[in-house]
Amino acid sequence: ELKVEQNPLFLSMQEGKNYTIYCNYSTTSDRLYWYRQDPGKSLESLFVLLSNGAVKQEGRLMASLDTKARLSTLHITAAVHDLSATYFCAVDNESARMRFGAGTRLTVKP
Amino acid sequence: KAGVTQTPRYLIKTRGQQVTLSCSPISGHRSVSWYQQTPGQGLQFLFEYFSETQRNKGNFPGRFSGRQFSNSRSEMNVSTLELGDSALYLCASSLGTQGCCGNQPQHFGDGTRLSIL
Repeated sequence: ELKVEQNPLFLSMQEGKNYTIYCNYSTTSDRLYWYRQDPGKSLESLFVLLSNGAVKQEGRLMASLDTKARLSTLHITAAVHDLSATYFCAVDNESARMRFGAGTRLTVKP
Repeated sequence: KAGVTQTPRYLIKTRGQQVTLSCSPISGHRSVSWYQQTPGQGLQFLFEYFSETQRNKGNFPGRFSGRQFSNSRSEMNVSTLELGDSALYLCASSLGTQGCCGNQPQHFGDGTRLSIL
């Protein structure tokens, strides 16, 4: 059974600092997605990662995928308050459609 | 371009009743997926429809069902409601040509918040 684990589940950061959120998954998959959810809002797609070694960047966020290690990372550079949200990774394969991690609740403090 | 539209936004039902939720995908999207989000279980996949066919189903009881129409609009139905069905139900559409999702991101609606009394 496909399991997706994110850590940390809660992250409190100072503005200007860097940090990384980790997403581990248990079975083979070549498709990994990152989403952001603001409180009371729906999910917004951030990144689609489809192959080993894929790296994508948008603003202060950079996501990477290592399919051999079954690991994806979401790196935050020089955090700002606007990045405060819950971040989810989701893994998709033929046997387990779109399995989400528990989410990482990020709070960026001034 | 209009986003994914879900109706109603809020719904209050009592145990034993049934409910139908509606989802209109982004124009041109033929893949529609449904998710349940709760504080305890997180985001869980319910089902996926593509071109009026259910392609995948999550691990939910048969009380949960859905369908997709020729215009790609989708409905999900929950019968014999239980307290544990209280959740935010999210619909997402994607442009995948063979269903969800491949290299296409999913676009989520604002959800229907269902409360069971």
